[in-house]
Amino acid sequence: DAMVIQNPRYQVTQFGKPVTLSCSQTLNHNVMYWYQQKSSQAPKLLFHYYDKDFNNEADTPDNFQSRRPNTSFCFLDIRSPGLGDAAMYLCATSRDTGFQQFFGPGTRLTVL
Amino acid sequence: GESVGLHLPTLSVQEGDNSIINCAYSNSASDYFIWYKQESGKGPQFIIDIRSNMDKRQGQRVTVLLNKTVKHLSLQIAATQPGDSAVYFCAENSRFGNEKLTFGTGTRLTIIP
Repeated sequence: DAMVIQNPRYQVTQFGKPVTLSCSQTLNHNVMYWYQQKSSQAPKLLFHYYDKDFNNEADTPDNFQSRRPNTSFCFLDIRSPGLGDAAMYLCATSRDTGFQQFFGPGTRLTVL
Repeated sequence: GESVGLHLPTLSVQEGDNSIINCAYSNSASDYFIWYKQESGKGPQFIIDIRSNMDKRQGQRVTVLLNKTVKHLSLQIAATQPGDSAVYFCAENSRFGNEKLTFGTGTRLTIIP
């Protein structure tokens, strides 16, 4: 089945230790998104790629970076995780902007 | 650790009854709306969508109503089941600007057996 896959599902890192979360899709969608979701809150968009074009949200901290080496894969790099970065990180894809977004299961990040 | 989140609006419904979840939006340029269901520890799951040229759309046990005059969206779930317990988010997308989805606050629906 076509889907959005996120690995790992749970990630524990230490304060200040870089961490990378990964997302892959078999939908062949043009757009891939990264969201941060904290408890009882709506997902907050960090950035998205339209093909190779990177679009950063204005309020996304510099601590968060992303890479999209090919259509299928997109990575979220957190350079120096702080306690406030503990959250669920959701990857989503869509055929184009303005269309339905398909979400992965998320990666729960814990920062010790 | 994770900061304490905002208190979500909640709705409790008896199993078998119908539920209505409401959402207000502010952007009059929004032309596409989606309802997502999110169960604990999982990613949001698409339920139903509607474009601004429609005011009603039906799916299996779900109906979305759109009132553009008052910028209001609702999700009706018929004959609720325990598996309907989740947080429900509405999201809107504008044809203009960068066309990102803007999520509403979310409503926690609890089905009482």
